[in-house]
Amino acid sequence: GAVVSQHPSWVICKSGTSVKIECRSLDFQATTMFWYRQFPKQSLMLMATSNEGSKATYEQGVEKDKFLINHASLTLSTLTVTSAHPEDSSFYICSALLGAGAFFGQGTRLTVV
Amino acid sequence: AQTVTQSQPEMSVQEAETVTLSCTYDTSESDYYLFWYKQPPSRQMILVIRQEAYKQQNATENRFSVNFQKAAKSFSLKISDSQLGDAAMYFCAYQTDYGGSQGNLIFGKGTKLSVKP
Repeated sequence: GAVVSQHPSWVICKSGTSVKIECRSLDFQATTMFWYRQFPKQSLMLMATSNEGSKATYEQGVEKDKFLINHASLTLSTLTVTSAHPEDSSFYICSALLGAGAFFGQGTRLTVV
Repeated sequence: AQTVTQSQPEMSVQEAETVTLSCTYDTSESDYYLFWYKQPPSRQMILVIRQEAYKQQNATENRFSVNFQKAAKSFSLKISDSQLGDAAMYFCAYQTDYGGSQGNLIFGKGTKLSVKP
């Protein structure tokens, strides 16, 4: 089956620093990838849609200058959390479209201290 | 806008028994897909089963089957012969079919399934 790899699986950073999360489709080309945020015991909240070669589309309420998304190739999308603060601590998940449905990365637990 | 509703925050089933998770959705579209995803404690999202809206036949995958009622906009998941490894959070999801391309997935709030030995 299709594999999406997300890295790192967990990261701790200091407040004010930036963190980059990578999402790779390993065995298929992904024109479209999605970034989600998941709070404990809650559902996935779509943050943005990442399209290869174009600007990401952000959901309402998501700060595009804080959550920078780059989709420079058909197999890689990155999410950079800039000037991270403790309230950005969360579980971030990426997914890639392949036909009908999507395949998900393992997720990244971000802790900002 | 499309919405997905899972009315059961938690469910419990005895090992080897059968359990049904409910899901309803609201849409004005005619072409779409419906999914059930499983999220175990590892938090990896795993596709359980997929249903194309244009198909009347209910999808099945081994012990997992769905009851798709398009007119009622209902999409329930039945797990037969429940196993301890089935314990997880289950999310129902909707995806628009644009006829050659697909939109993002819209998720319900999830149902936490516990399996008792």
